[in-house]
Amino acid sequence: AQSVTQLGSHVSVSEGALVLLRCNYSSSVPPYLFWYVQYPNQGLQLLLKYTTGATLVKGINGFEAEFKKSETSFHLTKPSAHMSDAAEYFCAVTPTGFQKLVFGTGTRLLVSP
Amino acid sequence: GAGVSQSPSNKVTEKGKDVELRCDPISGHTALYWYRQSLGQGLEFLIYFQGNSAPDKSGLPSDRFSAERTGGSVSTLTIQRTQQEDSAVYLCASSFQDRNTGELFFGEGSRLTVL
Repeated sequence: AQSVTQLGSHVSVSEGALVLLRCNYSSSVPPYLFWYVQYPNQGLQLLLKYTTGATLVKGINGFEAEFKKSETSFHLTKPSAHMSDAAEYFCAVTPTGFQKLVFGTGTRLLVSP
Repeated sequence: GAGVSQSPSNKVTEKGKDVELRCDPISGHTALYWYRQSLGQGLEFLIYFQGNSAPDKSGLPSDRFSAERTGGSVSTLTIQRTQQEDSAVYLCASSFQDRNTGELFFGEGSRLTVL
């Protein structure tokens, strides 16, 4: 069965600092991996995804993530945080595109001036 | 419609009452999902409809929960004899089954409060 672990329910950074949100997955087959973002009082939207091919994927708003099979990780990064990045971020995995997406418990990113 | 539509956006009910939550997916999407979002619990998978296949009900927490999808489009999640622990945001999502990307498009959710 697939599962996702997100380390840290809350991450606090200063504006302009590096953002690093951690995600480790468990999958019996090569996974499809996703990061979704939920801004306050809004629905979830896709930030970026890895299916096949290049292991470094770029998403919206300057975020990127790298699929590292040897570490079973898919950490999300952004070089410089902006106040508007404050939101909850969810990592998710599915063994293919045809099965249910399993989500992590989420990490709330707090950005201070 | 342009996006996934859910109704009601907010529902307050008394313990023991039944509630129905509705989801209208994006036109043409053949897969439909229900998730539950509780504070500090992340997104809990409830049920998954994929085309004409039997739904994956493995996430339904009890037999008080049921869902149906009529005509391959609109879905209704029904919770019978609601309990306070059912209070949560219920999220619906849809996707293209045949594009093998796994990307889900979410509605804004139905917030259920059981008093």
